[in-house]
Amino acid sequence: AQSVSQHNHHVILSEAASLELGCNYSYGGTVNLFWYVQYPGQHLQLLLKYFSGDPLVKGIKGFEAEFIKSKFSFNLRKPSVQWSDTAEYFCAVGAGTYKYIFGTGTRLKVLA
Amino acid sequence: DTGVSQDPRHKITKRGQNVTFRCDPISEHNRLYWYRQTLGQGPEFLTYFQNEAQLEKSRLLSDRFSAERPKGSFSTLEIQRTEQGDSAMYLCASSFQVLAGQETQYFGPGTRLLVL
Repeated sequence: AQSVSQHNHHVILSEAASLELGCNYSYGGTVNLFWYVQYPGQHLQLLLKYFSGDPLVKGIKGFEAEFIKSKFSFNLRKPSVQWSDTAEYFCAVGAGTYKYIFGTGTRLKVLA
Repeated sequence: DTGVSQDPRHKITKRGQNVTFRCDPISEHNRLYWYRQTLGQGPEFLTYFQNEAQLEKSRLLSDRFSAERPKGSFSTLEIQRTEQGDSAMYLCASSFQVLAGQETQYFGPGTRLLVL
């Protein structure tokens, strides 16, 4: 069965620290990959997406993610986090179908 | 606001009652999805429409759940004889398929259901 794993459930960082959130998926075929963010009290918003081409994808607010096919991974990174990045981050995979499979999410807290 | 909208945003009901939620997708999006999200989990797929046709239903969607999308515009999700286990956030998303397999789903704010 298709699945998505987000290994870090809770992350606490100080402002200006670097961020990397892990995402691994299990599916052998072509995938579309997404990171969504949910700020406190708000709905899921698209952060970035990968369909094909350059495996390094840049998104909004300085976020980027790298697709490593051999590792079935799509890790999210940001060189320097801000207090306003406090949110929950979800990795999602569209695996050959229309529906997304989501990870369980990572709650990020950035200390000012 | 041109995003996905959902109504109501919150619903408290007693066990055994029926509830109905509405989703208005982004204009001209031909695909509409329903997901359910419980505490500590990511959204889980429930069902999906392409225009007015309901093309797949998850095993999570018991016989008490029904969804419609008349005329391919807004959609409703009805839960009959609600149970406490139905308490969750119900999310709607929409997309427009341009290239096969390449689409982005945009999510609404969700309807939070609490069954007492």
